[in-house]
Amino acid sequence: GAVVSQHPSWVICKSGTSVKIECRSLDFQATTMFWYRQFPKQSLMLMATSNEGSKATYEQGVEKDKFLINHASLTLSTLTVTSAHPEDSSFYICSFGGSGLAGPIPGEQFFGPGTRLTVL
Amino acid sequence: GDSVTQMEGPVTLSEEAFLTINCTYTATGYPSLFWYVQYPGEGLQLLLKATKADDKGSNKGFEATYRKETTSFHLEKGSVQVSDSAVYFCALYNFNKFYFGSGTKLNVKP
Repeated sequence: GAVVSQHPSWVICKSGTSVKIECRSLDFQATTMFWYRQFPKQSLMLMATSNEGSKATYEQGVEKDKFLINHASLTLSTLTVTSAHPEDSSFYICSFGGSGLAGPIPGEQFFGPGTRLTVL
Repeated sequence: GDSVTQMEGPVTLSEEAFLTINCTYTATGYPSLFWYVQYPGEGLQLLLKATKADDKGSNKGFEATYRKETTSFHLEKGSVQVSDSAVYFCALYNFNKFYFGSGTKLNVKP
């Protein structure tokens, strides 16, 4: 399968600061990418879907002004957590995927290893 | 809404033991079902999938059958290896969205 990297793999920051997480596909190009977050012992929850060159579509309950997504190119996407607070501490996972006219193609999502964010 | 429930871990087995990880789902319509595996330090990887009732997905000795009557997609392997130690996620895809279970950690001891 395709290789997706995330940087950093873990980060600790102070409350009120902003943190940027990078997600790169190393060996393929994809127009669609997804950001998930996962709380301990809970499911991955989709935060947003973005297509290269257009604005991200956020899931209900996800603040778009707090979680800024930039899908800069077919191989790079960034998630910036602005004015982070302790409740934002979580595991953030990105994925690149194939997408057809009807949306994401099942089984063709390639996931990054995740970024552990801890806000003090 | 749609959801996936899988058994809590960790599950600890000896090498060559039989593995079952239970997964049940709630969904409208006709979802596709998946098992993903995450090895330490790596991203989730697709392990197997089934797109309609009674389909059986299989890969690397793992199997799961899409059972619509019991809304289940249990993962099985006849003889686990130490290298199978990982976290396993059950997931469903419906109406352009993925829904994941909380993951089950499997530890296989030599």
